[in-house]
Amino acid sequence: QVQLQQSGPGLVKPSQTLSLTCAISGDSVSSNSAAWNWIRQSPSRGLEWLGRTYYRSKWYNDYAESVKSRITINPDTSKNQFSLQLNSVTPEDTAVYYCTRGSYIYYDRSSFSFYFDYWGQGTLVTVSS
Amino acid sequence: DIQMTQSPSSLSASVGDRVTITCRASQSIGTYLNWYQQKPGKAPKLLIYVASSLQSGVPSRFSGSGSGTDFTLTISSLQPEDFATYYCQQTYSAPWTFGQGTKVEIK
Repeated sequence: QVQLQQSGPGLVKPSQTLSLTCAISGDSVSSNSAAWNWIRQSPSRGLEWLGRTYYRSKWYNDYAESVKSRITINPDTSKNQFSLQLNSVTPEDTAVYYCTRGSYIYYDRSSFSFYFDYWGQGTLVTVSS
Repeated sequence: DIQMTQSPSSLSASVGDRVTITCRASQSIGTYLNWYQQKPGKAPKLLIYVASSLQSGVPSRFSGSGSGTDFTLTISSLQPEDFATYYCQQTYSAPWTFGQGTKVEIK
């Protein structure tokens, strides 16, 4: 059974960096059939995908354009976890942050789909002075 | 970005009712469509993937259909534990976007 356990502060000051970690059990951050994502949820933005990291012979990252200049997602293979860093936060970054596993279905070598099948417990991060 | 629009935004129904939720994509997405259920204070839970495949452990009263731009989530006989908010999500092109949600409330 896959479990994702999130950790990190619930309060961040404006202009500072939001940092969260997601520890994985029951799977590997280096899995060739999964991707590790961060998603946030707020009343104003709804559910918003922020980015992902995944391993396919080498490490890849993809980020949403809305946060691309401020976000870093890193894998940590020694601890089997991945992290989110979001720089220069403002009150608009206040949200519940989730880590998720993206599982892939391959139809052929170039065609696939995926879904978010395991989620962390969520962390409410408030940006306030 | 692909916009996902759900209707209705909320609905009231009784136990045993058949409930249908619609999701429309701003462009064709094939069957790259997932459905999730979320209860207050909890993370979303995967119900349906690639438009019509039932996730393991999800009751068979849940079903999904559609392709292209129009999709449907159906609950054949609403149970007390089904009162929640439901979201569709596309995986056709990044960024992977969600609908705004449909809240199913007790009538």
